[in-house]
Amino acid sequence: NAGVTQTPKFQVLKTGQSMTLQCAQDMNHEYMSWYRQDPGMGLRLIHYSVGAGITDQGEVPNGYNVSRSTTEDFPLRLLSAAPSQTSVYFCASSPPGTVSQYFGPGTRLTVT
Amino acid sequence: AQRVTQPEKLLSVFKGAPVELKCNYSYSGSPELFWYVQYSRQRLQLLLRHISRESIKGFTADLNKGETSFHLKKPFAQEEDSAMYYCALIRDGSARQLTFGSGTQLTVLP
Repeated sequence: NAGVTQTPKFQVLKTGQSMTLQCAQDMNHEYMSWYRQDPGMGLRLIHYSVGAGITDQGEVPNGYNVSRSTTEDFPLRLLSAAPSQTSVYFCASSPPGTVSQYFGPGTRLTVT
Repeated sequence: AQRVTQPEKLLSVFKGAPVELKCNYSYSGSPELFWYVQYSRQRLQLLLRHISRESIKGFTADLNKGETSFHLKKPFAQEEDSAMYYCALIRDGSARQLTFGSGTQLTVLP
């Protein structure tokens, strides 16, 4: 199993550009989530999904969209990038019957 | 709303010394508490959870509901313990949504 994978590893965007951060898992986990990690603030939940076709907002959803058309994939879309979205983004997944979460390697995004 | 506080951003100890990373939380219900660790250039991983009451890599953590704390302890620190440590909670009924503290960077000196 590859576990949780994220692409790209690094990305630089200009203000106003849009892009999609990819997240995939091959463990058949029904729960997936996106966090952003900022210095001095820990990780904050952006969006999460409890299964294909179901998504919900976390603590900091503004400026981000998600969809979950398959169990495996959970892409995060930045509609119009802003410098405040400069961060490291982590995707995580969790199997049924447990709250333990498996994290991806992260995507470091810089918005200029 | 729930909150997790880790008062120390940085903590340095010498190899072989005891280490304690502090974590306090505010939540009126019955949370589940976790410690996650991120070693240099590695992904975030679960270290331990209060329900399992395990000792992982020599670390233990006891949930103190009276003091709303979940401090992480190890009697003899090793250099390989150097990492960023995050305390986190899931509130009851929250569908696995983790609330993280701001993290403590532990450095174990030789």
